[in-house]
Order: sequence, then C-alpha cells, then structure tokens
Amino acid sequence: QKEVEQDPGPLSVPEGAIVSLNCTYSNSAFQYFMWYRQYSRKGPELLMYTYSSGNKEDGRFTAQVDKSSKYISLFIRDSQPSDSATYLCAMMTDSWGKFQFGAGTQVVVTP
Amino acid sequence: NAGVTQTPKFQVLKTGQSMTLQCAQDMNHEYMSWYRQDPGMGLRLIHYSVGAGITDQGEVPNGYNVSRSTTEDFPLRLLSAAPSQTSVYFCASSVDAYSNQPQHFGDGTRLSIL
Repeated sequence: QKEVEQDPGPLSVPEGAIVSLNCTYSNSAFQYFMWYRQYSRKGPELLMYTYSSGNKEDGRFTAQVDKSSKYISLFIRDSQPSDSATYLCAMMTDSWGKFQFGAGTQVVVTP
Repeated sequence: NAGVTQTPKFQVLKTGQSMTLQCAQDMNHEYMSWYRQDPGMGLRLIHYSVGAGITDQGEVPNGYNVSRSTTEDFPLRLLSAAPSQTSVYFCASSVDAYSNQPQHFGDGTRLSIL
C-alpha cells in the first residue's frame, strides 16, 4: 500500500465550477503538506504549502489539512480552462526534507 | 530567474549506454534531489544531497550515481542504461533539509531507452 493515495482522475468540470481534490495518507509523522500543479511537459509548480491541520487560502485556492483523518484537500474556486493540469499532493516529515508524493490527479476544465 | 535548469530536455539512448543528466540551480539552495516520474507511480526519489560533498540514496537508487562537488550542480549518471529507466527525470532544490521548505522543480529530462 502506498503511503500517499490520490485518485488519478481525470476529473472533468465546467468552467466556473469548484474543483475538489484530495489525498489520503498513512504516515502520521507527516507534518508539512503541499500541492503542486503540473502542466503537460513541465515540472511541478508549488501552489500551496501548509503546516499541520487547518485551512489556508490563496486567491482561488484553498488547502485543508485534517491530520486526525489523515486527509488533505485542495479546492479551486471559479475554475478556468487554464487550471487544466495534473495536481500533485506532497507531504513531508520534519526530518531531512524527504518528500512523499501522490500520483497526481488530472483535471480538465471545459469552457 | 533561471531557478532549476535541467539539460538535455530530451534524450534517446540504446541499452547499455551511459549518460549524465545535468541539473543546476542559481538560488544557493543546499538541498537538491532527483526524481523519476512514471505513469501511475507519481514522483519517486532517486538520490538527494543536503550540501556539497554529501549525497544519499532515495527510494529507487539502483542504476544511478550522483555527486555534488558544488552547491549549484547535481548531475545524475546512468551507468548502463536499461529500458526500465525510460522515464521523465526531475531535479528539485530547496533552501536546506532543516527548515522544511518546499522544493522547486526543473522542467525535466525525457529519457527513452531503446
């Protein structure tokens, strides 16, 4: 069983809808949680970075972390076709900076 | 803003050939790492370095070597290429291994082994 599970999608939504993405994990030592966006043939780009449980908002993006349930989410409001990409969750313990990534969810926003 | 630069962007090799994937960063980051990305597998750590002269193995190190002679550069060497090493390779860097800052990625090298 993978340490981090993420539905690969694809997730197709109409423009303007809310995109809801999530990851589950098994290692309770994870404390830092990230979401990356990856366009085709490009490297992952950091979107959100949170520590421990709670919510963080940045423009149209909201990241939620529920450590008790080992569950993290990313919400994209007012989705745009330019949001079409693969979204990767990532998490880290506090030792030596090792990251564990989810496999990524492909999102398609249709005009 | 160069950030993390990877070369080449594409490469085709024959089985048994060797090659070096280059990675350079201009952010004075201490921590650098190499990942491979395969469909359905996500990003898997190959090797990482917490500073010049210090490297260590990640999750899938077999068939790969690294060295870190300078802060800026972190090359990845394939010793004898195998078809199973066909993948997209990403280099990433972070401020250091202690401040728990996220990693920044290059745009990858797409490697095909025939």
